[in-house]
Amino acid sequence: DSGVTQTPKHLITATGQRVTLRCSPRSGDLSVYWYQQSLDQGLQFLIQYYNGEERAKGNILERFSAQQFPDLHSELNLSSLELGDSALYFCASSPQSGGQETQYFGPGTRLLVL
Amino acid sequence: DQQVKQNSPSLSVQEGRISILNCDYTNSMFDYFLWYKKYPAEGPTFLISISSIKDKNEDGRFTVFLNKSAKHLSLHIVPSQPGDSAVYFCAAKIQGAQKLVFGQGTRLTINP
Repeated sequence: DSGVTQTPKHLITATGQRVTLRCSPRSGDLSVYWYQQSLDQGLQFLIQYYNGEERAKGNILERFSAQQFPDLHSELNLSSLELGDSALYFCASSPQSGGQETQYFGPGTRLLVL
Repeated sequence: DQQVKQNSPSLSVQEGRISILNCDYTNSMFDYFLWYKKYPAEGPTFLISISSIKDKNEDGRFTVFLNKSAKHLSLHIVPSQPGDSAVYFCAAKIQGAQKLVFGQGTRLTINP
């Protein structure tokens, strides 16, 4: 158990819908990262928040957005969903930002768009 | 442009023998490397890491070797155990950057 929690574990929805994925980092960690793993793909970085502020952006679609709240939990919002958005979404956390830090991953949310 | 490559999609090893997983990278700005293990329906679990100022790091049965001139790192597991059967991901980080860049993963199967 990494100490990072994610809800829900599974999500099934239809094209065009909007969903919210939630992540709670390890106690004391200020950074939260979101990654996407599609079928037969490695993990792709989406976005990072540090202490409530966006710190880095990767291959995140404009239909996707995220935020980190004062209690440091984070939410990833996916809207106008398409079939190709079906994937595993992982959240990770680390104590700070930018250094040689290990990122610890949550169990993931499996999203299926029908 | 795949900056981190794991060229072997799968590897099968006898229990008790050594498992060697390989990873190549192209970006010389990477200065921190990590290995993660992933079981089905679970998130990646951190195994071991190495800074670019070192060429070897050891933690129990796991050793990571870094060859900067060849832009190559490897993970050695000795002895291999059935519980080591999983997908192993190599990841790299550029100094000062936030994201991890992952390889495609290698599925390791340990046979009894």
